Formats: sequence, structure tokens, C-alpha cells
Amino acid sequence: AQKVTQAQTEISVVEKEDVTLDCVYETRDTTYYLFWYKQPPSGELVFLIRRNSFDEQNEISGRYSWNFQKSTSSFNFTITASQVVDSAVYFCALTWGSSNTGKLIFGQGTTLQVKP
Amino acid sequence: DVKVTQSSRYLVKRTGEKVFLECVQDMDHENMFWYRQDPGLGLRLIYFSYDVKMKEKGDIPEGYSVSREKKERFSLILESASTNQTSMYLCASSLGGQTEAFFGQGTRLTVV
Repeated sequence: AQKVTQAQTEISVVEKEDVTLDCVYETRDTTYYLFWYKQPPSGELVFLIRRNSFDEQNEISGRYSWNFQKSTSSFNFTITASQVVDSAVYFCALTWGSSNTGKLIFGQGTTLQVKP
Repeated sequence: DVKVTQSSRYLVKRTGEKVFLECVQDMDHENMFWYRQDPGLGLRLIYFSYDVKMKEKGDIPEGYSVSREKKERFSLILESASTNQTSMYLCASSLGGQTEAFFGQGTRLTVV
């Protein structure tokens, strides 16, 4: 069965600190896709990144970076020099296989609070 | 700009009522989804649809049904609302199985 675990329920940091959000996944499929979404207080989930199982390259986008390690089944998300606007709930998600349904399995979410 | 629109942000309904949650997307996406979000549980899939009139159960379909008569519209129906269905409901759509999903703003439903 597929599963996504975000062990950190809540994280609180002070502005300009770096913070890493952990994500561990389980799947038996060799083809799968991992995602990160941000949910600000407005409620709408905002897509941040997609990574497929065949591409282990890390990615950097501005202050955001992602570390994908198949050996540890992890897909961690780091925010460098955090800002108050980064305060949100962050979800890691997984879809798998070659079917076209796009069903997502989500982690429990990590609430990030960035204090000024 | 791509858009998934849910008909209501907040709803309060009485136990036993039949409740309709509407979702419309303007991206011509094949796949549409209804998720339920509860604290500590993340998002859980209720139903999804991969084509007009086609639907499949997700992980928690009990007490819910869906309707997709047009490609752009996906409705979630609570046949007889109960207090344990008080939750945030999120609609999403995607082009294909490997692409990102786009989400609506959510409907916070309270059943009293």
C-alpha cells in the first residue's frame, strides 16, 4: 500500500532561519510521482513541485529546495531564510503507477509558523 | 489563469439534510477529485472521476455520492448529512495521472 508520512506536525521558527520539512513515502511501484503543496490561510492548495521516481536530481527554486533520496524514501523540503509569508500548512503527496487517474495520497501536513 | 471554483466557502446544514457541493474547472481537465481535509489526517480521497459520467470510489466514500454530467463540473452529494461529515472539502482537477492537481478554495461544511 502507498503511504506518506510527515512526522512534524508543527514547526515554529523565527524569520530568516532555515527550516526543513520532512517527507517519507512508501510505495512498491517503481514509477511514482511526488509533490509538495502549500496551503496558506486562504485554504487553497498551491502546487510547489513535482518529482518523478526516475529523477533524483535535487531542485532549487529561489529560497526553496528539495532533496529527493530514493535510498531513504524521502523527499524533504527546505526553505532558506524563511519569511512570515511562508507561514502555511505544507503537504507532501504521492501518486503512483502508469495509470491516468492521478489519485494523490497525502501526508498529514506540517504547519509552519514563521515569527517576525 | 487556471481555475477550480467551489460554489461555497462556508456551509451550515442540519443533520439529515441532502447536501450538494459543486465544483467547476475551466482547464478542460479529464480528472476531477473530491478530498476531505481533517486535522491530523491530511487530505483523504472521497471520489474521483476520469471522464464524464465515470466515477470511482476513493478511500472514504461511505455516506457520499458524486455526479459528473459535464466535463467541467463535478458534484459531491451528502445523501443524509451527519455531524461526522463536518469537515473541509476540497475539489481538484488534473490533466493526467502524472501531472499536478489544481485545487479549489475549499468548502468548510458544518453539520449541526
